[in-house]
Amino acid sequence: EAGVAQSPRYKIIEKRQSVAFWCNPISGHATLYWYQQILGQGPKLLIQFQNNGVVDDSQLPKDRFSAERLKGVDSTLKIQPAKLEDSAVYLCASSWVPDTQYFGPGTRLTVL
Amino acid sequence: AQTVTQSQPEMSVQEAETVTLSCTYDTSESDYYLFWYKQPPSRQMILVIRQEAYKQQNATENRFSVNFQKAAKSFSLKISDSQLGDAAMYFCAYRSPGGSQGNLIFGKGTKLSVKP
Repeated sequence: EAGVAQSPRYKIIEKRQSVAFWCNPISGHATLYWYQQILGQGPKLLIQFQNNGVVDDSQLPKDRFSAERLKGVDSTLKIQPAKLEDSAVYLCASSWVPDTQYFGPGTRLTVL
Repeated sequence: AQTVTQSQPEMSVQEAETVTLSCTYDTSESDYYLFWYKQPPSRQMILVIRQEAYKQQNATENRFSVNFQKAAKSFSLKISDSQLGDAAMYFCAYRSPGGSQGNLIFGKGTKLSVKP
């Protein structure tokens, strides 16, 4: 069974630029999560989807972050414009139901 | 709100020895799930072990076992016969039960080093 796929693995951008991350969950997993992991900390949830609907986006900085999950499968997370403090690893995870989550390899974002 | 605390930023163990990583949490819920995840330098979070709060029996997965003390809100991870490949960041995580809210609340992690 293929795992959670994410791309790109690394991204370096200048502040105020935009960036997008892509995630393809494990086949059949209805629930998809995006987490932000700042260096030295545990991951923090940004947004949770159930199929193509948003369940929880209370910690998503909506003035600059957006996410969508069209057709209830893969998902895109966008940052526009990026700030220095957005430098982090962005992890995508999926689960069959809100149960055990399986994580992708993450995208390391560096904002200069 | 629920919180997860890992009080050991770093731990070290000799290969083939046993090490215990500590985790405490705060919640007013009676039913929940607890997890230990491993994050090697490759960054991918790998599930190590899972515990349902309603189960009194401690979960075990090969060399990994937990000591779940519900009253004390403690959830420690024991790694037996430590191997070089066990070196990684270990995160304790909490999840509320049921419904559609399934996000994990993580501690800050413990960096485990394994000495040959």
